[in-house]
Amino acid sequence: EIVLTQSPATLSLSPGERATLSCRASQSISRYLAWYQQKPGQAPRLLIYDASKRATGIPARFSGSGSGTDFTLTISSLEPEDFAVYYCQQRGNWPQFITFGQGTRLETK
Amino acid sequence: QVQLAESGGGVVQPGRSLRLSCAASGFYFSSYAMHWVRQAPGKGLEWVAFISYDGSNKYYADSVQGRFTISRDNPRNTLFVQMNSLTVEDTAVYYCAREWFGELNNWFDPWGQGTLVTVSS
Repeated sequence: EIVLTQSPATLSLSPGERATLSCRASQSISRYLAWYQQKPGQAPRLLIYDASKRATGIPARFSGSGSGTDFTLTISSLEPEDFAVYYCQQRGNWPQFITFGQGTRLETK
Repeated sequence: QVQLAESGGGVVQPGRSLRLSCAASGFYFSSYAMHWVRQAPGKGLEWVAFISYDGSNKYYADSVQGRFTISRDNPRNTLFVQMNSLTVEDTAVYYCAREWFGELNNWFDPWGQGTLVTVSS
């Protein structure tokens, strides 16, 4: 099983600041990585897929990068609505190999 | 508008069964694979089960293999999961999610709002 490790567990920033979230895979996953945002009491929402492509309707301040084992989600200038939990997710060739990272909580400083 | 709506959650005793449903609308349900993903209270996301667009292929997480059965009714645009021999470790919000086609691989988009299953005596 491929393990995804997200860091930091919690990130405390202020609106307008830049956020950098990390996701590291235990083995190479090419660019087979997605990022999801989850707000309290809500379902996750797809932000980034294929490591760097923004999903429909996602603002340009969200960007993803990386390949192989190291991936980054960057929020260029935080808006109040961006404070949430972010999960990375990988998927191999078969669905039973789907795993998520443990999440990074982005909180207001 | 693409929508998924889960139902069927509730409180159930250990060892009992429960069936969850997910009603799909706004897209051609019969063309998409579907998943169940769960989230224990205060915890992260755990993939549970997959079913192909026509129901011919099914996969399960090791934690539910042999106890959960995923199925679908395409004419009724509905996804199901039958959960048997429930344990307290199955307590979670259960989400259904559509498999969406990226360029390199497939992802979850959208997700339903979730339904809470509490296993407790």
